[in-house]
Amino acid sequence: QKEVEQNSGPLSVPEGAIASLNCTYSDRVSQSFFWYRQYSGKSPELIMSIYSNGDKEDGRFTAQLNKASQYVSLLIRDSQPSDSATYLCAVIRANAGGTSYGKLTFGQGTILTVHP
Amino acid sequence: DTEVTQTPKHLVMGMTNKKSLKCEQHMGHRAMYWYKQKAKKPPELMFVYSYEKLSINESVPSRFSPECPNSSLLNLHLHALQPEDSALYLCASSQGERDGEQFFGPGTRLTVL
Repeated sequence: QKEVEQNSGPLSVPEGAIASLNCTYSDRVSQSFFWYRQYSGKSPELIMSIYSNGDKEDGRFTAQLNKASQYVSLLIRDSQPSDSATYLCAVIRANAGGTSYGKLTFGQGTILTVHP
Repeated sequence: DTEVTQTPKHLVMGMTNKKSLKCEQHMGHRAMYWYKQKAKKPPELMFVYSYEKLSINESVPSRFSPECPNSSLLNLHLHALQPEDSALYLCASSQGERDGEQFFGPGTRLTVL
């Protein structure tokens, strides 16, 4: 089982719709969760981080975390063609002492296409 | 300044060449990273530097040699690479080594002939 799993897509949504991106992780000691966006030919860019259960909203983006289900998601409201990119879910796990261990583990990424 | 810069943007080298990739950040971050990314794959961590000391080496072959001359600079020295080492090499930085909020540079596209 992979540490971080995402549906590779592609996920295609019409402009103005809500895009829902999902991610599961296998390690219960994972502590911090991140969503990065990567446009084709560019480097990853952090768009959201979430550290505790529940929802976190930032503009059109909402990250949701459920540690009991080992599940993190990203909702993009009012999707725009400029949102078309690969979305990478990433986690940092805690070590035995409960502090973060400095390795960011990425999922395979979900390709999102927003069509006009 | 919230930017991580990398040079060169593109590099083509033969298997017997020695070359270096350079990375610079002026955000006062104390952790810097090298990642390798192949097409349609996520970034793979290679090295982590924390306070200018090597903190994590993900069992990277010795033909890749990292160096951190100071808190703003990170180099990756390349020697006797193989064609399968061709990839996008990404540098990133963060406040601390346990921080997943990382800022990535634009990357160096490396081709090994």
